[in-house]
Amino acid sequence: DQQVKQNSPSLSVQEGRISILNCDYTNSMFDYFLWYKKYPAEGPTFLISISSIKDKNEDGRFTVFLNKSAKHLSLHIVPSQPGDSAVYFCAASADAGGTSYGKLTFGQGTILTVHP
Amino acid sequence: GAVVSQHPSRVICKSGTSVKIECRSLDFQATTMFWYRQFPKKSLMLMATSNEGSKATYEQGVEKDKFLINHASLTLSTLTVTSAHPEDSSFYICSASRDGGTSGRRGETQYFGPGTRLLVL
Repeated sequence: DQQVKQNSPSLSVQEGRISILNCDYTNSMFDYFLWYKKYPAEGPTFLISISSIKDKNEDGRFTVFLNKSAKHLSLHIVPSQPGDSAVYFCAASADAGGTSYGKLTFGQGTILTVHP
Repeated sequence: GAVVSQHPSRVICKSGTSVKIECRSLDFQATTMFWYRQFPKKSLMLMATSNEGSKATYEQGVEKDKFLINHASLTLSTLTVTSAHPEDSSFYICSASRDGGTSGRRGETQYFGPGTRLLVL
């Protein structure tokens, strides 16, 4: 049962334009969401997060939007740069006390390619 | 800072043998380490969570006798795939958490290794 889904395996964008990566989840207990970026031969690195009490979080060129009623979140990158080309994973966690801390459920990833 | 290494990066072994994968936090002490598995075009699936000095907590469906996890120190965790079979072929990735879970932030301080590609023939 895939609780976190990224339905677009890949996305291609022109440099300077906006990249929008989408993520859907099914578990209503998820209350914290994160985006990770992964370059080839490297592990995923944390990019940006959002708590379920918010609907938007912005950090420089990166903004994450959360629509709880639709169980949907998106990552906007603007303007996109060639160095943003990577695999992007969304992840979710549910707060069930100390036992669930750090336990992340990942989506399948979306390969973003930003063309110069 | 916050670098996590894995060794080996790639391993090929014969069916029936055991393989050990190491995960090290190079510049910080990791109170908790996580082991994930990723199949092609699939998401990272959490296999187990380990805390230094205690037994690992395995996710449902993960055989603890097959995937032995040892977290002997604050900088090293090992995953041993025992009696490996071709269906164990996968990409295994570890992560290390720097804080003890009291900061209220989840996932931001989880640092991932580059992964180990296991092929069982």
